[in-house]
This record gives sequence, C-alpha cells and structure tokens, in this order.
Amino acid sequence: GENVEQHPSTLSVQEGDSAVIKCTYSDSASNYFPWYKQELGKRPQLIIDIRSNVGEKKDQRIAVTLNKTAKHFSLHITETQPEDSAVYFCAVQPGAGSYQLTFGKGTKLSVIP
Amino acid sequence: DAGITQSPRHKVTETGTPVTLRCHQTENHRYMYWYRQDPGHGLRLIHYSYGVKDTDKGEVSDGYSVSRSKTEDFLLTLESATSSQTSVYFCAISESGEPQHFGDGTRLSIL
Repeated sequence: GENVEQHPSTLSVQEGDSAVIKCTYSDSASNYFPWYKQELGKRPQLIIDIRSNVGEKKDQRIAVTLNKTAKHFSLHITETQPEDSAVYFCAVQPGAGSYQLTFGKGTKLSVIP
Repeated sequence: DAGITQSPRHKVTETGTPVTLRCHQTENHRYMYWYRQDPGHGLRLIHYSYGVKDTDKGEVSDGYSVSRSKTEDFLLTLESATSSQTSVYFCAISESGEPQHFGDGTRLSIL
C-alpha cells in the first residue's frame, strides 16, 4: 500500500515568517494530494489540494508544490499568523479510480506572536 | 459545514461490550469513510463505502464492521470493544473526484 512520510513533526515559527511542511509518497500512480488543517478538538478541514497534472497551486497565503518525479509535495504558508497554529496533515490518493486517502502523521505548527 | 452528523459525540463503555457509531449525511454523496485518529498515527482508514451495501476494508479494519443500508447512513460497529480501540473516530464523505469532508468526530473511551 501507499506510504506517506511527513516532516517535520513539530514546527515553531515567529509570526510573519514562512512555514514549510514536506511529504513524500511511495506510489508513483498517486494522483491527488490534499492538505488538511486540524485545530485542537476540531475536525480536519481541507485547506488546499493539488492534482498530479499541476505543479503548483496558490490560495492567498497558502501554496502547495508537487514534484512527481521525486514523489514529494510541500505546503507553504507565508506571513504566518497565530491563527495558523494547528496540526497539518498531508494525504495521498492512489490513482485508478480509488478515492481512499492515506494520511501523513501530521505536523504541529506553532506560530509565536 | 459539509452536512455530516456523527453520533454519539462522546461515549464511555467497558471492554467486551458492543458499540455502534453512526454517521449521517445530508449531501447525498456516494462515498463514506470511517477513520480513527490516535496520537502519533494521524488518520487511519478503517472501512469505507462506495454505495449502498458496498463496503471495503481499510488499513486498520480488524475488530470493526460496517454497514450501509441507505445512502445517508454509515454505521461502524465494534462487536466486542477492547481498550486498544479507545480513539477519536471521524467519518468523512466525498463524491467521485471531489475532496473528502469530515464530521466532528466521536471520542470513544473503552475502560
């Protein structure tokens, strides 16, 4: 099955700095890569996603980049704010019509005011 | 919110008892999923459904069964709960080719 590695497991940044979280995956046929944000005690919420035919996608302060050759993708958050503090999960969906997701183990981001 | 209701939201029970968690959706989405979330493990898929009466196993299905008798409801059953099944359980839904959206979770404690 798919194997997803996520790094780092914890990340502290000063408010206003950028944060980068990386994930690698094992199945080269995987074709969909979402990122979820989970605040303490809440449900995971989709913040951005990218498909395998696209190299980069941006939404305001959040961007995701995908390197299919190297089988890794990254979440970039610029101008971090205290409300960005949360646990972030990457996920990978295999191809061939399967809609299951395999998740990374999460990154706890702390933004220090 | 994505129109997903999980019940109960919290439950405490004893080892060996049966437990059923319910996921109800109002979106008429085809796919429904059950995950468990444990510290250090992220979200792991237990079972999923791709239509009424159509279900399949996920990564951590041992000790769990599911049923989907109608589009809007997906039930997760622990036939004989064990302490290792203490966890937070999330239901998710999706339509073909669309992102998964999660319910608010059920916190289950097995003593």
